[in-house]
Amino acid sequence: KAGVTQTPRYLIKTRGQQVTLSCSPISGHRSVSWYQQTPGQGLQFLFEYFSETQRNKGNFPGRFSGRQFSNSRSEMNVSTLELGDSALYLCASSRDGYEQYFGPGTRLTVT
Amino acid sequence: GIQVEQSPPDLILQEGANSTLRCNFSDSVNNLQWFHQNPWGQLINLFYIPSGTKQNGRLSATTVATERYSLLYISSSQTTDSGVYFCAVATHAGKSTFGDGTTLTVKP
Repeated sequence: KAGVTQTPRYLIKTRGQQVTLSCSPISGHRSVSWYQQTPGQGLQFLFEYFSETQRNKGNFPGRFSGRQFSNSRSEMNVSTLELGDSALYLCASSRDGYEQYFGPGTRLTVT
Repeated sequence: GIQVEQSPPDLILQEGANSTLRCNFSDSVNNLQWFHQNPWGQLINLFYIPSGTKQNGRLSATTVATERYSLLYISSSQTTDSGVYFCAVATHAGKSTFGDGTTLTVKP
């Protein structure tokens, strides 16, 4: 069974730009969660989508948004990038939202 | 929200030694997982263990949900065990809270 894939793996953007990250979950999994990892804040929950609906949301500003498609693939968008958005963005796939499997991550650098 | 504390924050061992990592959490949980983060950043699943005891080779884990803690045991450490170990808990499906991790260094 193929694992969770994330694209792109690395990204460099400039302040003020926007970015879209993609996550393809394990086949049959309907839950996709997104996390941000930074050295200062650790791993923080962004949001979770289940069957195309946002089911949970973390404490991030509205510049961070996401969506899920009918094939369970999910995208995360960050608008008006700030230097502090530089991080490793991880997505997790799960059948029901409990046992989560993580992708390799997208490393975003904002300059 | 729920608080997750991992200890110790750093652990340095000689190859062959055993170790115990601890995860304390502040509320009842529906889910608890242990992960190992490799040098490239990927989180590798070790155990899904909301309660009870599981073993996988040299690794084992125990969660005592009523006392709100979990332990990860690593026996006969190898240099490849080095890295950061995370405990993640969830009170709601799809939303995990992570501890700050334990950084393990195994010296040859």
